[in-house]
Amino acid sequence: AQSVTQLGSHVSVSEGALVLLRCNYSSSVPPYLFWYVQYPNQGLQLLLKYTSAATLVKGINGFEAEFKKSETSFHLTKPSAHMSDAAEYFCAVSQTPTGTASKLTFGTGTRLQVTL
Amino acid sequence: GAVVSQHPSWVICKSGTSVKIECRSLDFQATTMFWYRQFPKQSLMLMATSNEGSKATYEQGVEKDKFLINHASLTLSTLTVTSAHPEDSSFYICSARGGRHTEAFFGQGTRLTVV
Repeated sequence: AQSVTQLGSHVSVSEGALVLLRCNYSSSVPPYLFWYVQYPNQGLQLLLKYTSAATLVKGINGFEAEFKKSETSFHLTKPSAHMSDAAEYFCAVSQTPTGTASKLTFGTGTRLQVTL
Repeated sequence: GAVVSQHPSWVICKSGTSVKIECRSLDFQATTMFWYRQFPKQSLMLMATSNEGSKATYEQGVEKDKFLINHASLTLSTLTVTSAHPEDSSFYICSARGGRHTEAFFGQGTRLTVV
């Protein structure tokens, strides 16, 4: 069984401020973890993924996430928010590295708002 | 990354009619396609997984006779919502994997409104 919990359905930050989106997971086997971004009325775009290699994963658009097994967390961060980062972000867990042969289980999402 | 295209982007239909949504992989052969449903301000829920040339595998609670999935070719999968009702109104998203790609790519989604 696997599940993902995203704390905070809505996060608001000022442009240039640190972005921190929280994700905690539960998995009966070593997990593979993903962050996706969704813009309004669009599909999902993969930001980054953890597949048991380096615990600090760097993704696109300046985002990164750190896998912490002891905390069962995979929080997403970005040092400096940009207006274009405003979107919905989903954390997901899978039991395979591709997230496809097995099922992707998504969190409930966090809407990021960036203000001037 | 690869491109997955969904059509239409939005559709409005009358209650009781059927609606077909197409999902195409434009530049790779998709051996596996996934269909998700997303309610407003909620997460994506996997409805079914389809492999080219075989029957789709539906998730628990998803009516296979209501949500017909066909994956007859390596570049096209269709989802048909039969006898649609207002409660079927939702955002439907497909994803596809195959070829040299190890990850799945998502379509842009289809917003279905049943009136």
